[in-house]
Amino acid sequence: AQKVTQAQTEISVVEKEDVTLDCVYETRDTTYYLFWYKQPPSGELVFLIRRNSFDEQNEISGRYSWNFQKSTSSFNFTITASQVVDSAVYFCALSEGIYTGANSKLTFGKGITLSVRP
Amino acid sequence: EAQVTQNPRYLITVTGKKLTVTCSQNMNHEYMSWYRQDPGLGLRQIYYSMNVEVTDKGDVPEGYKVSRKEKRNFPLILESPSPNQTSLYFCASSNIGPVSGVTGELFFGEGSRLTVL
Repeated sequence: AQKVTQAQTEISVVEKEDVTLDCVYETRDTTYYLFWYKQPPSGELVFLIRRNSFDEQNEISGRYSWNFQKSTSSFNFTITASQVVDSAVYFCALSEGIYTGANSKLTFGKGITLSVRP
Repeated sequence: EAQVTQNPRYLITVTGKKLTVTCSQNMNHEYMSWYRQDPGLGLRQIYYSMNVEVTDKGDVPEGYKVSRKEKRNFPLILESPSPNQTSLYFCASSNIGPVSGVTGELFFGEGSRLTVL
């Protein structure tokens, strides 16, 4: 069963539009971590945010914000007033087995390709 | 500077010719992992290691080997490469939690683009 689902595969917006990237995860662990990474056209993977399962507070960093909802197993990412430089592939990831030692790996979603047009 | 270094960055080889992609990190991280990235499939884990001499299969381990003889190094070995192993490979490292599991930022290398003819 897929543990991290990024149902949107490609999104195209015009600059200055707001855009939300969805991430739904599945785990039986009570302690887990969630991450978002960005992969710009240059190919490197850039860490954006980490959130543990006990912290449901939403986070805002400049134009970026994250909405973590355990009730719906979602960790969505919103870019406000998008810019061309936001064009990239965005990955959501889940880390489990923090205390159990079982299946302790980081599982990535398939990624969402965001294109921001001028 | 904290970094994960992979070599080579680009490689074209032929079917059956053994190759090794090296990975080294300078952050004293316990956890290291290899991923491959393919269009439409995202990042899939090949192998991971929780510490020296401890390795485990990820989701797509067939055709690959790894070793973790030293904490800083985690080479990926393709004993007999095949065209379906043409891919972009990433090595990554991180700290682990109180018992296990990745709790910190995963630091990635710059990627190694491998083509098997």
